[in-house]
Amino acid sequence: EAGVTQFPSHSVIEKGQTVTLRCDPISGHDNLYWYRRVMGKEIKFLLHFVKESKQDESGMPNNRFLAERTGGTYSTLKVQPAELEDSGVYFCASSHNAGNEKLFFGSGTQLSVL
Amino acid sequence: DQQVKQNSPSLSVQEGRISILNCDYTNSMFDYFLWYKKYPAEGPTFLISISSIKDKNEDGRFTVFLNKSAKHLSLHIVPSQPGDSAVYFCAAVSGTYKYIFGTGTRLKVLA
Repeated sequence: EAGVTQFPSHSVIEKGQTVTLRCDPISGHDNLYWYRRVMGKEIKFLLHFVKESKQDESGMPNNRFLAERTGGTYSTLKVQPAELEDSGVYFCASSHNAGNEKLFFGSGTQLSVL
Repeated sequence: DQQVKQNSPSLSVQEGRISILNCDYTNSMFDYFLWYKKYPAEGPTFLISISSIKDKNEDGRFTVFLNKSAKHLSLHIVPSQPGDSAVYFCAAVSGTYKYIFGTGTRLKVLA
């Protein structure tokens, strides 16, 4: 069984450009989460999908970030326009149920905004 | 406002000895707690969890203790091995299903 896959693994862009991150959760997992870690800080919650619906997007920093999960399968996280403070590692995680079940994480996308 | 806190950024332990990693939380609604291990350039991997109805859960060399009155949990690794060297994150979740993670503790097990 394939794990959570994220693409790309690294992205280097200039301030003002647009970047789209992709996450493919484990097949059959209805719950999909996006997290971000800035070096030395916590793994910070961004948002949570249940199937194609946004269950909780309270962690999204601002309206430059847009997450979608059309069809309830893979998800994309677009940052437009990117700012320097958006740099960090973006992790995607999935689970079958929510709340009392472990999350399975992808390897992350290292985003560097120059 | 940090709801899950790991106050020790790093810890060094001799191989074969016990490693104790600590985590404090502020939200009394959390009812499920998890520990994750993270190696460089990899995503966090699940290690062990505990429900709020228990105070201890053991899996091989790993034991998690939960003290609800103190809002504190700890991870014990016995005996510690060099392969255990990694960053350890504690996480907590409540019925809102938002898993909250701490800042991590870097464990170094010295051979």
